[in-house]
Formats: sequence, structure tokens, C-alpha cells
Amino acid sequence: QSVLTQPPSVSGAPGQRVTISCTGGSSNIGAVYDVNWYQQLPGTAPRLLIYGNSNRPSGVPERFSGSKSGTSASLAISGLQAEDEADYYCQSSDSSLSGYVFGTGTKVIVL
Amino acid sequence: QVQLQESGPGLVKPSETLSLSCTVSGYSISSGYYWGWIRQPPGKGLEWIGRIYQNGSTHYNTSLTSRVTISVDTSKNEFSLNLNSVTAADTAVYYCARVGKSRPFFEYWGQGILVTVSS
Repeated sequence: QSVLTQPPSVSGAPGQRVTISCTGGSSNIGAVYDVNWYQQLPGTAPRLLIYGNSNRPSGVPERFSGSKSGTSASLAISGLQAEDEADYYCQSSDSSLSGYVFGTGTKVIVL
Repeated sequence: QVQLQESGPGLVKPSETLSLSCTVSGYSISSGYYWGWIRQPPGKGLEWIGRIYQNGSTHYNTSLTSRVTISVDTSKNEFSLNLNSVTAADTAVYYCARVGKSRPFFEYWGQGILVTVSS
């Protein structure tokens, strides 16, 4: 039972921009905790995509960007490519649960 | 380059204990960071299980705390997961990962190991 809610799927044509929302509450995203994002290609381990709300690790393309506002966060993918078809998860910390929490996950479909 | 590798049995009987190890290379566990376990049931999302620090200090997901034990062996540069009284609901891919103290994100992950609970 995840405390961070994401849409089950989003889709877009190649070259388009898609956004994925991550909605939490006052004990996680709405508190002082940062949001991180992971990309999981089929059959592989998750890969860190965005950390600290909006920072990209080395090697992550600039077309991936993150933001946070209030009790929600968003991941945007601009210039969508076929290789971006994957599952995406947000992650934060939670003071009520005293630990880390993941979002429900969103499948990005490239039309 | 930091690398993590899970190992252990892929099949565990109901009511028994699931035991996995994670071997770390390219970084000394004694140098810092938290070391954690995450699992993913087939076709479902990610669930954080718990973490351990180099000194053995642990912190677990409140939903699993009664059944989980994570330990560390700095001499082998590895850490381990024990989950007791397993049921079919514990069938999942189990990942080990490194997570920062002041930077609480999972930066490095193992490839994962599928553990099936079945008689």
C-alpha cells in the first residue's frame, strides 16, 4: 500500500512531452523530504533518474526533468523516444512511517 | 564503480526463512552510506524493506519489522536479509541497493534475485 500515488500509465508519440505526477501528503512530499525518480526498463533493476527533486545523475539525458510543489512532484520527459518506454517510480521519505516510500508506478507508452 | 550482487536460494517453502546476501564491490561498506533491501512482487511496484549502517544500526519498514532482520559483515563487504515465516505474498524480486544518509535516494542497485515461496 503505497502512500505516493501515480497515474497507472501515460502515453505520447515520439518527440512529444509527457509528464508523470506523484501525489503524496504532509508527512512525505509536503514535508521537508525530497523526491527522487527511477526508470525501470523491462526485466531490469530500477535506475536513478532524478534525485533531490530536480537533479540529474551523470549520464541521464537533459530531456528528463523533475519538479516539486506542495505535496506533489512531477517528472517530465521531453522529446519522447522509443527507448523511454518503461516504468517510472517516484520515491521519498515519510515521517509517519519513518522510512522510505515509493510511488505506485507509471508505465510510459510510446505510441 | 560500485557494484552490488544479490545471492541466495530462488525457492523457499512457506513458513520458512528467506535468506539473501548482497556482496558489494568497488566500495567499502565500512566507508559509510546506508545499505538497503527493496522488493518487487511480480507485476507490482517497489517496496522498501529496510536498511543497515556500517555499525550495524538498522531501520525497517513498519509493515515488515516483526519478520525482518538485516545484518552486515564488513570483513566480507556484504550485508544480508532474513525474512521469516514467509508466505506466497513474499514472492518477489529482491534488490539490494546503496542509499545515502543525507542524500536519501537509491543510487546503486543490484540486478535483483527472484525468490519464489512455494511448497
